[in-house]
Amino acid sequence: QSALTQPPSVSGSPGQSVTISCTGTTSDVGGYKRVSWYQQYPGKAPKLMIYEVSNRPSGVPDRFSGSKSGNTASLTVSGLQAEDEGEYYCSSYAGSNSVVFGGGTKLTVL
Amino acid sequence: QVHLVESGGTVVQPGRSLRLSCAASGFTFKNYGMHWVRQAPGKALEWVAAISYDGSDTYYADSVKGRFTFSRDNSENTLYLQLNSLRTEDTALYYCAKQAQAFAQAGWSHLDFWGQGTLLTVSS
Repeated sequence: QSALTQPPSVSGSPGQSVTISCTGTTSDVGGYKRVSWYQQYPGKAPKLMIYEVSNRPSGVPDRFSGSKSGNTASLTVSGLQAEDEGEYYCSSYAGSNSVVFGGGTKLTVL
Repeated sequence: QVHLVESGGTVVQPGRSLRLSCAASGFTFKNYGMHWVRQAPGKALEWVAAISYDGSDTYYADSVKGRFTFSRDNSENTLYLQLNSLRTEDTALYYCAKQAQAFAQAGWSHLDFWGQGTLLTVSS
């Protein structure tokens, strides 16, 4: 149950696009189409942004998109806005009814 | 509207026990698997445990297996997490969270609603 690997931080200017990677193994990210992404503001609970690799819950802007290739999933935020600044976590089903999260990535809007 | 309200967090000494609760409302509680996820101060989210919709199956992270027990009361729409043999590394904000898909096996479904968390501090 090792944590998924995410870059500690990414940044971009308003209007630009940024991509956050999430690397696991064949036992988690690579083995299932069950990758989710959560956004968390300081002092707040996580909020679901992407589920099953690339699906957006209702209410999440279409600026947020997800994808996966092999053992690495990615979250792309296009047309960055100031409100996108926060911490982002990926998560994957890891077999045997377990879940694993990534180490988190701080997104800074310059 | 889904509401998840955790309670029971406090300051306890290492080796002691504690029970956390999570009161759920706004959805058909008995149809959904549920999870506990924790977050140590300034650290990442860590999955702790999951329970099936009917409470018959529970699953735990290796870091808590044998020390924590997850249960639910579907008549009271409440989750419980019994924490025994507490360690300083168990200090964290504990969130309960709901699976999005009814009747899905634990862990298979993403988590669509989270509570605000209850803070547990383990310190001598």
